[in-house]
Amino acid sequence: GAVVSQHPSRVICKSGTSVKIECRSLDFQATTMFWYRQFPKQSLMLMATSNEGSKATYEQGVEKDKFLINHASLTLSTLTVTSAHPEDSSFYICSALRDRGTHEQYFGPGTRLTVT
Amino acid sequence: QKEVEQNSGPLSVPEGAIASLNCTYSDRGSQSFFWYRQYSGKSPELIMSIYSNGDKEDGRFTAQLNKASQYVSLLIRDSQPSDSATYLCAPQGNTPLVFGKGTRLSVIA
Repeated sequence: GAVVSQHPSRVICKSGTSVKIECRSLDFQATTMFWYRQFPKQSLMLMATSNEGSKATYEQGVEKDKFLINHASLTLSTLTVTSAHPEDSSFYICSALRDRGTHEQYFGPGTRLTVT
Repeated sequence: QKEVEQNSGPLSVPEGAIASLNCTYSDRGSQSFFWYRQYSGKSPELIMSIYSNGDKEDGRFTAQLNKASQYVSLLIRDSQPSDSATYLCAPQGNTPLVFGKGTRLSVIA
C-alpha cells in the first residue's frame, strides 16, 4: 500500500509559539494532500486542501493566516500552526491523494499537538 | 458533498462472532465506497473499497453494496479483539474524503 509519513508524531509547545508539521508521500507523488484535525471522540474535520505549486484551499471557519500550508514539492506538504493556543491542541492528520481516478487517499500517522 | 449515515455504536460483539457494520447514503449518484478503520489515537487506514453491487471479500472482511436500498455494509467474520476500532465509510466520489463519526466496534474476548 501507499505510505505517507508525518513528522513529528508528537509535539508539546508553549502558547504563542509556532509549530511546523511535515507530511510526506514516500512511494508516490501526490499533487494533492489534505489536512484534517480531530478532537477527542469527534470525527475527522477537513481543514484544507493542499495543491502542489498553488495556494491551499481552506474550509469554512479555518483561519488561513493561522494555519499556513505549503506544498512545495510533489511529495511534501507542511502545516504551520502559528501563535498556537491551548485550543489548538488536537490530533492533526494529513492524507495524500494517490490516484485521482479512484480517489484513494492514504493517511499519515498523525501528529499530536499539545499547547501549554 | 455526498454524505453517509452510520450508527455511532458502540457495537459490541463476542470474539469469534460476525460483526456487521452498516452505512446508508442519500445520494443515488454514489457509485462506490471506501471502508476505513481507525484505532483509538491513530489515523484512518484504508481496508476495503467496493465499486459494484454485491459482495467483495478480502480475508475476514466482506463489503456489501446495495444500490437499490442505498446501503453499504462491512462484515467481519471471526471477530478478534484486535478488530476493536472505529469503522468509517466514505463515498468514493468525494475528493477529499468527508467522514461521519463512524461506528465504534468493540470485540469482547
